Amino acid sequence: EVQLVQPGVEVKKPGESLKISCKVSGYSLTSYWIGWVRQMPGKGLEWMGIIHFADSDTRYSPSFRGQGTISADKSIFTAHLQWNSLKASDTALYYCAGAVAGTSWFDAWGQGTLVTVSS
Amino acid sequence: QSALTQPASVSGSPGQSITISCTGTSRDVGGHNHVSWYQQHPGKVPKLMIYDVTNRPSGVSNRFSGSKSGNTASLTISGLQAEDEADYYCNSYISSSPNYVFGSGTKVTVL
Repeated sequence: EVQLVQPGVEVKKPGESLKISCKVSGYSLTSYWIGWVRQMPGKGLEWMGIIHFADSDTRYSPSFRGQGTISADKSIFTAHLQWNSLKASDTALYYCAGAVAGTSWFDAWGQGTLVTVSS
Repeated sequence: QSALTQPASVSGSPGQSITISCTGTSRDVGGHNHVSWYQQHPGKVPKLMIYDVTNRPSGVSNRFSGSKSGNTASLTISGLQAEDEADYYCNSYISSSPNYVFGSGTKVTVL
């Protein structure tokens, strides 16, 4: 069974940088996609982008280009989402979700990282 | 890429059937069979309920079923139960990107 583990909470000030993680276990990472999903308070799910572990092929949703950088480190089985300069509007719950390459559904989800950006 | 269109809310009495629609375009919902549905209870992680339009993952009740016609996919919940009260999101692959897009979400209320 695939498991995705995320830190629970991050609290930052505007202008600070942040890198959140999603550690994957239980599946061969050479054929696995990780997607990042944003859920703002009281709102719906939004795809930020996806990354293929094997070759770091990364695809950003048009709405999120420039709003975060997605990366993956195969050596530690971990995907990352990072910001260089956070804004208050980045306050949200961020989920990572996993899909086997060649499929179109995300059946493994992390517990989500709540990012709060406040002065 | 705009979110797929879902009704904001759908309600039904216990035992009834309800259907949630998810409308997109020929570039997403209508272009292939890569539509999935997710259930999210308040404060919980989304859960996959249907994949590739009609398929149920192991462990999902057969009261949940999916279908598609043209640019609109649908999720039907039959024999509605109190535990089905949650938010539901459709998701579609976008062949032109390639990437994914969620629906706007539907709150299901069991009366």
